[in-house]
Amino acid sequence: AQSVSQHNHHVILSEAASLELGCNYSYGGTVNLFWYVQYPGQHLQLLLKYFSGDPLVKGIKGFEAEFIKSKFSFNLRKPSVQWSDTAEYFCAVNVGRRGKLIFGQGTELSVKP
Amino acid sequence: DTAVSQTPKYLVTQMGNDKSIKCEQNLGHDTMYWYKQDSKKFLKIMFSYNNKELIINETVPNRFSPKSPDKAHLNLHINSLELGDSAVYFCASSQGLGGETQYFGPGTRLLVL
Repeated sequence: AQSVSQHNHHVILSEAASLELGCNYSYGGTVNLFWYVQYPGQHLQLLLKYFSGDPLVKGIKGFEAEFIKSKFSFNLRKPSVQWSDTAEYFCAVNVGRRGKLIFGQGTELSVKP
Repeated sequence: DTAVSQTPKYLVTQMGNDKSIKCEQNLGHDTMYWYKQDSKKFLKIMFSYNNKELIINETVPNRFSPKSPDKAHLNLHINSLELGDSAVYFCASSQGLGGETQYFGPGTRLLVL
């Protein structure tokens, strides 16, 4: 069965530190990949997505992610985090043609001012 | 001009009751979804509809019945509520089924006592 694994359950950083959140998926076919962010008490918002083309994708708020097909990975990065980046981050994979999104278990990011 | 809206935002009810959650999208999308987020923030798809036709039904108990009166609305009715139904329920929509970006509503926090 398809699955998505996020390596870090809770990450704590100081402001200006660099961020990398790991995401691996298990599916051998074509995938669409997403990172969503959920700020405290709010709904999920799309950070960035990869469908095809350049494997390095840039999203909102200075986030970027790199798709490495050979490693089945789609890691999220940001060079310098801010306190306002404190949130839950979800990696998700869309497989097949039925629109089914499979989410990772989420990574809680806490940024200390 | 909220894209995906849900009502109510909070729902507190007793075990055994029947309740409904409503979802509306004004994005002109053809596909709508229901997701359940449990207490550990894990997100799992429950249902999806495309042009009012049920596409995904992810081994959800029969007590949950989605209804799509038109492609802009997808409601979720829950019979005989159980303690384990307590969760946040998110509605989402996308243009089609081909793995497009899904846009999420604000969520409905259901607490069953």
